[in-house]
Amino acid sequence: GENVEQHPSTLSVQEGDSAVIKCTYSDSASNYFPWYKQELGKGPQLIIDIRSNVGEKKDQRIAVTLNKTAKHFSLHITETQPEDSAVYFCAAIGYSGAGSYQLTFGKGTKLSVIP
Amino acid sequence: NAGVMQNPRHLVRRRGQEARLRCSPMKGHSHVYWYRQLPEEGLKFMVYLQKENIIDESGMPKERFSAEFPKEGPSILRIQQVVRGDSAAYFCASSLSPHGRGGEKLFFGSGTQLSVL
Repeated sequence: GENVEQHPSTLSVQEGDSAVIKCTYSDSASNYFPWYKQELGKGPQLIIDIRSNVGEKKDQRIAVTLNKTAKHFSLHITETQPEDSAVYFCAAIGYSGAGSYQLTFGKGTKLSVIP
Repeated sequence: NAGVMQNPRHLVRRRGQEARLRCSPMKGHSHVYWYRQLPEEGLKFMVYLQKENIIDESGMPKERFSAEFPKEGPSILRIQQVVRGDSAAYFCASSLSPHGRGGEKLFFGSGTQLSVL
């Protein structure tokens, strides 16, 4: 099955700086990679996703890049703000082995933006 | 336009009791997924259901855990004879279409925090 590794586990940045979170995946057939933001006491919220037919996708201050050859993808947040502080999870789609495709998640990155 | 609704938000059970977690998907969504999250860990897939059908339960423990999504009403995750190791946050998600190889957007609820004493 799919295996997703995420780094770093914690990240502190000064307000206004950029933050980068990286993930690698194992299944070369994977072609859907979403990113979720989870605030304390809340459920994960989809913030951006990318499919393998594109190498980069941007939405305001958030961008995701994908390198299918190297099997890694990254989340970039520019001009960080205190409200960006949260845990961020990457995920990759993969065959579950039991008749369906499911998301496998990384272990998360706790981002702290220091005012 | 209500999102995915889960209840209760917090559930406390003693060892040996039963826990029932409920999930109502987003309006128009008929695909429901249950995930478990342990502290400092990512979300682990448990089960995928469509109305009246369990499609994939490959992530579900073989004993004590069951799930259903009846024709009417919410999806239920049931844990019988709970043990301390079942303490975790349980999240439900829904999607408009099933995951295929191309993936599908999942929308999560706020979760149920289960604590077993």
